[in-house]
Amino acid sequence: KNEVEQSPQNLTAQEGEFITINCSYSVGISALHWLQQHPGGGIVSLFMLSSGKKKHGRLIATINIQEKHSSLHITASHPRDSAVYICAGTSGGGADGLTFGKGTHLIIQP
Amino acid sequence: DAGITQSPRHKVTETGTPVTLRCHQTENHRYMYWYRQDPGHGLRLIHYSYGVKDTDKGEVSDGYSVSRSKTEDFLLTLESATSSQTSVYFCAINIGTSGQETQYFGPGTRLLVL
Repeated sequence: KNEVEQSPQNLTAQEGEFITINCSYSVGISALHWLQQHPGGGIVSLFMLSSGKKKHGRLIATINIQEKHSSLHITASHPRDSAVYICAGTSGGGADGLTFGKGTHLIIQP
Repeated sequence: DAGITQSPRHKVTETGTPVTLRCHQTENHRYMYWYRQDPGHGLRLIHYSYGVKDTDKGEVSDGYSVSRSKTEDFLLTLESATSSQTSVYFCAINIGTSGQETQYFGPGTRLLVL
């Protein structure tokens, strides 16, 4: 059974701080997704990683396949980054659905 | 915009009544998914479909059935709703080339079973 563990569960930081959210996953997961959900809002896909590193604006996602670990970093954090960030794993190309971590509730204070 | 809609967006129903949620996509993507999201559990896969009339169970399929008679529609049915099925339900589709798929989610349906 695929498993995904995410930490921390909750994170409060000041505007401008560098944020790191961590995700570890079980054998069998071949790709990692990072998702964002604003309060009361929908779920948006940020990244899909099977190796290396991806960057989009102030967001950076990395994955270490040997250690089965992925991180999501936010540089120069802003209150609008406040949201729940969720990592999710897939196996075999992702056709059989995602296995989710429980999410990290991030609050960026001005 | 991946063109996914869900209906209804909100529903209140009573225990024991049947409920059907609809997910509609406009772009003929092959794979579709139903997830539920609950505090303390996060998101969990209920059922998924890999084509018309082709469906399979996910992690929490008990009490749910699905149907896909057309590429664009994926229906989730609660045959006899229970209070434990109060949740937010998200539909999703797989988009992208093999090995580079991304999932796009619908806006969600809030279901309250009294």
